Amino acid sequence: DQQVKQNSPSLSVQEGRISILNCDYTNSMFDYFLWYKKYPAEGPTFLISISSIKDKNEDGRFTVFLNKSAKHLSLHIVPSQPGDSAVYFCAAILIQGAQKLVFGQGTRLTINP
Amino acid sequence: DAGITQSPRHKVTETGTPVTLRCHQTENHRYMYWYRQDPGHGLRLIHYSYGVKDTDKGEVSDGYSVSRSKTEDFLLTLESATSSQTSVYFCAISDLGDRPGGYEKLFFGSGTQLSVL
Repeated sequence: DQQVKQNSPSLSVQEGRISILNCDYTNSMFDYFLWYKKYPAEGPTFLISISSIKDKNEDGRFTVFLNKSAKHLSLHIVPSQPGDSAVYFCAAILIQGAQKLVFGQGTRLTINP
Repeated sequence: DAGITQSPRHKVTETGTPVTLRCHQTENHRYMYWYRQDPGHGLRLIHYSYGVKDTDKGEVSDGYSVSRSKTEDFLLTLESATSSQTSVYFCAISDLGDRPGGYEKLFFGSGTQLSVL
């Protein structure tokens, strides 16, 4: 049972345009949502997060939007740069009890010059 | 960068042999995790530890065991490797257990590519 889903395995965007990565979840009890970025042969690195009590969080070129009624979050990157080419994982966490992150399948983003 | 070292970085082994992967941290973090990454599945939790000698199972723990005798080391053992355990294994750490009511993001190692032939 996949609690966090990223339905797009890959996305290709032109440099300078907006990249939008999507994520859906099934458990309405999740408290925080996070995005991780992964380059080949490296471990994932934390990118940005959002609390379930908010609907938007912005950090430079990266903005995460949360729609709780739709159980949907998205990551916007604007403008997209070649260095943004990576695999992006969304993840969710329950604060109560053992705080284990649940990850989506990942989306491979390619930024074309 | 968080001080996390995974060893080995690459390993090829045969079906039926035992394999141990090591994760070493220099951050003195309480929580340590083992994940595996597979195409179409993302990152899945195998086992985690919330202190020395305190471990628990994740969602894909069958065929794996772990041990943590020191804060800095977390070992993952494949008791009898199978081809389905060919994967990239990531260790992660966090100190979220020391912040009641809060959360902490995970810091990941660089991974171990394991091939079981």
